[in-house]
Amino acid sequence: GENVEQHPSTLSVQEGDSAVIKCTYSDSASNYFPWYKQELGKRPQLIIDIRSNVGEKKDQRIAVTLNKTAKHFSLHITETQPEDSAVYFCAASIGGNQFYFGTGTSLTVIP
Amino acid sequence: GAGVSQSPSNKVTEKGKDVELRCDPISGHTALYWYRQRLGQGLEFLIYFQGNSAPDKSGLPSDRFSAERTGESVSTLTIQRTQQEDSAVYLCASSLDSRTGNEQFFGPGTRLTVL
Repeated sequence: GENVEQHPSTLSVQEGDSAVIKCTYSDSASNYFPWYKQELGKRPQLIIDIRSNVGEKKDQRIAVTLNKTAKHFSLHITETQPEDSAVYFCAASIGGNQFYFGTGTSLTVIP
Repeated sequence: GAGVSQSPSNKVTEKGKDVELRCDPISGHTALYWYRQRLGQGLEFLIYFQGNSAPDKSGLPSDRFSAERTGESVSTLTIQRTQQEDSAVYLCASSLDSRTGNEQFFGPGTRLTVL
């Protein structure tokens, strides 16, 4: 089955700096890669996703890049704010069936 | 409209008892997913339904776990003879259709504690 690895497990940045979280996947058939943000005690919420026919997608301060050849994708958050502090999960899926999640990155933005 | 709902929100049970967890997806969502999240860890995929069918049950941790869905709506996850290692938050999510990789919407989860 698919194996998704996520790094780093924890990340601290100063407010205004950028944060980058990286994930790798093992199954070349995976073609849908969502990113979720989970605040403490709350449910995961989708923040951005990318499909395998696209190399990069951007939504305001958040961007995701995908390298299919290397089987890795990354989340980039620019101009970080304290409210960005949360746990972020990447996931890989083959067309929306089983979803395999990374182990999460705890992001702390220091004011 | 209403989001994904789950019940109960919290469940405390004794080792060896059976529990049933319920998920009500967003109306019209044909795909439904169950995950387990242990404290401080990631989401472990358990099973998904497209309609009332579960094409792949290999993610269920053991034969003590089972799930069903009826009417392309509500789903129940049943854990028989609960063990302490079953303690976790069980999350349900739904999406429009599993075949097209649509956004999943998560429920608030059921926190299960097995004493």
